[in-house]
Amino acid sequence: DAKTTQPPSMDCAEGRAANLPCNHSTISGNEYVYWYRQIHSQGPQYIIHGLKNNETNEMASLIITEDRKSSTLILPHATLRDTAVYYCIVRVANGNTGKLIFGQGTTLQVKP
Amino acid sequence: DAGVIQSPRHEVTEMGQEVTLRCKPISGHNSLFWYRQTMMRGLELLIYFNNNVPIDDSGMPEDRFSAKMPNASFSTLKIQPSEPRDSAVYFCASSWAGGSSYEQYFGPGTRLTVT
Repeated sequence: DAKTTQPPSMDCAEGRAANLPCNHSTISGNEYVYWYRQIHSQGPQYIIHGLKNNETNEMASLIITEDRKSSTLILPHATLRDTAVYYCIVRVANGNTGKLIFGQGTTLQVKP
Repeated sequence: DAGVIQSPRHEVTEMGQEVTLRCKPISGHNSLFWYRQTMMRGLELLIYFNNNVPIDDSGMPEDRFSAKMPNASFSTLKIQPSEPRDSAVYFCASSWAGGSSYEQYFGPGTRLTVT
């Protein structure tokens, strides 16, 4: 699986959009981009994933660049409860390769 | 569904003792994963099962660690003998490896302290 690079930390004002970048310049054509987050003392939580099209769900939006070498997770209206470590993971979506390799992630601090 | 269930939530034991962590995956899921999280090493995959069969145990640190999945609704991670460096939070996760999503659902974790 390709490696990802994320900034170690970011701040965001409550109510504003949080934009979390991820670089995955070595991504292969059959690899998806996944985002998980981990709120303090809890298990990681799936947020969203995509292959090449932009994706949106009730939690967030995922914007993937045309060359797929980077992506941005957008939390449109961040709340204090969104304070967490956000992990960007690249992996092949295949029935027998269920591994997720977590990096250090980005610690997002949402401030009042 | 109750989600992934792990027990115990906290475990304190002395060095040399056997420790058994338990996990009940989400009903219908066919993949199960054991992770370990420490401040130094972050979140590491230890082993994962597909249809109760161990697929990849390359993350298991040493022979003191063993994992079993006797049926689709139960898995154990055993450490024998335990050492202080095994202190960590151990997470179990499950997923359905048959669709296109492969979302993993994590349990609340077991915080292990070995003194």
